Amino acid sequence: AQTVTQSQPEMSVQEAETVTLSCTYDTSESDYYLFWYKQPPSRQMILVIRQEAYKQQNATENRFSVNFQKAAKSFSLKISDSQLGDAAMYFCAYRTMYSGGGADGLTFGKGTHLIIQP
Amino acid sequence: SAVISQKPSRDICQRGTSLTIQCQVDSQVTMMFWYRQQPGQSLTLIATANQGSEATYESGFVIDKFPISRPNLTFSTLTVSNMSPEDSSIYLCSVRRGGSNNEQFFGPGTRLTVL
Repeated sequence: AQTVTQSQPEMSVQEAETVTLSCTYDTSESDYYLFWYKQPPSRQMILVIRQEAYKQQNATENRFSVNFQKAAKSFSLKISDSQLGDAAMYFCAYRTMYSGGGADGLTFGKGTHLIIQP
Repeated sequence: SAVISQKPSRDICQRGTSLTIQCQVDSQVTMMFWYRQQPGQSLTLIATANQGSEATYESGFVIDKFPISRPNLTFSTLTVSNMSPEDSSIYLCSVRRGGSNNEQFFGPGTRLTVL
């Protein structure tokens, strides 16, 4: 079974600064997807960014980018120019690439609570 | 995208009773999932709701405790049976269209408190 580990329960950053959230995972599969989800106090889960394991290029979405190290099974999220609206729980998640044959939902890490200091 | 609604949004229930949570999607989707998020914790997959057949449950979750229905491609229900305070959680419906490379969307969740 796959596992996802987020070792930082809480992170704090000054507004406009850059912060990096860590995520490691364990899998025996070679093809999979990795995600970062954001959950603000409203509880709504919002997809921040995704990465396909077969792609060497790191995904970017505006101020959000990842550092994907497949051999090290590491998938960190960098948030540049942090804004107050970025304050939320951030969850790293894993999903197998091959659907079907039973449950193939997301496996989540425990989350990192990101605090933005004004 | 997919717009997902859940009913109820929250409820307070007595132990020993059951609650059925509804999930409605604005368009047909291939995959529907139910997750549990215990207070201050991450999301844990309960089961995959299969249209026209029995749900596929994850380890630690059983049909007698969490019966699931999925009569069509836009609707599913999760029942939390014979509730105890340990069932107090947020229950989230999640959907995905087509293959595994498609985005997975989440409903707003149902906050359940069992007294």
